[in-house]
Amino acid sequence: EPEVTQTPSHQVTQMGQEVILRCVPISNHLYFYWYRQILGQKVEFLVSFYNNEISEKSEIFDDQFSVERPDGSNFTLKIRSTKLEDSAMYFCASRQQWAGELFFGEGSRLTVL
Amino acid sequence: GIQVEQSPPDLILQEGANSTLRCNFSDSVNNLQWFHQNPWGQLINLFYIPSGTKQNGRLSATTVATERYSLLYISSSQTTDSGVYFCAANSNYQLIWGAGTKLIIKP
Repeated sequence: EPEVTQTPSHQVTQMGQEVILRCVPISNHLYFYWYRQILGQKVEFLVSFYNNEISEKSEIFDDQFSVERPDGSNFTLKIRSTKLEDSAMYFCASRQQWAGELFFGEGSRLTVL
Repeated sequence: GIQVEQSPPDLILQEGANSTLRCNFSDSVNNLQWFHQNPWGQLINLFYIPSGTKQNGRLSATTVATERYSLLYISSSQTTDSGVYFCAANSNYQLIWGAGTKLIIKP
């Protein structure tokens, strides 16, 4: 069964460093998303991406964040200068239709020291 | 925007028991999903159920869209069912998540 894959599963970084989280969405999906979950809290929407551009983003998704689909298969989330409060689980998701079922990857746990 | 509320927030059961988890949403939706987050933090898709009833083994879900709620039933609970169960709904682009029900199944 097709699945969304994410790498790395866990990354530890120093405050101020750049981090890139990678995702490979399901191949025939058109809508891509990043969500995050701070430990013990709700899952929060970060950004949605369609047709090679951001379609919606939350207040969390400030200038420190960027997304890219560099090669037609990968979908990346970059955090330019990490802060302690960026420590969270980051989930990538994709779906074929904008109102259809959303499929999530297993998450990338980011720890900022 | 849409609000999603889950109840109960916590549930502790003995292995073998049955349970019902509830999800209320404040507006009409075109997508309602249930997820299980395991102790390692991974999200497992359980159901995509904007309306109607679905069953998958010991789990089933029902969404009554006109009354704006969804129920997740777990029968004959096992310790591996422990974790947090989330429902999430959207009426536009993004999924709005409930706060989850933390389920602990004791052996």
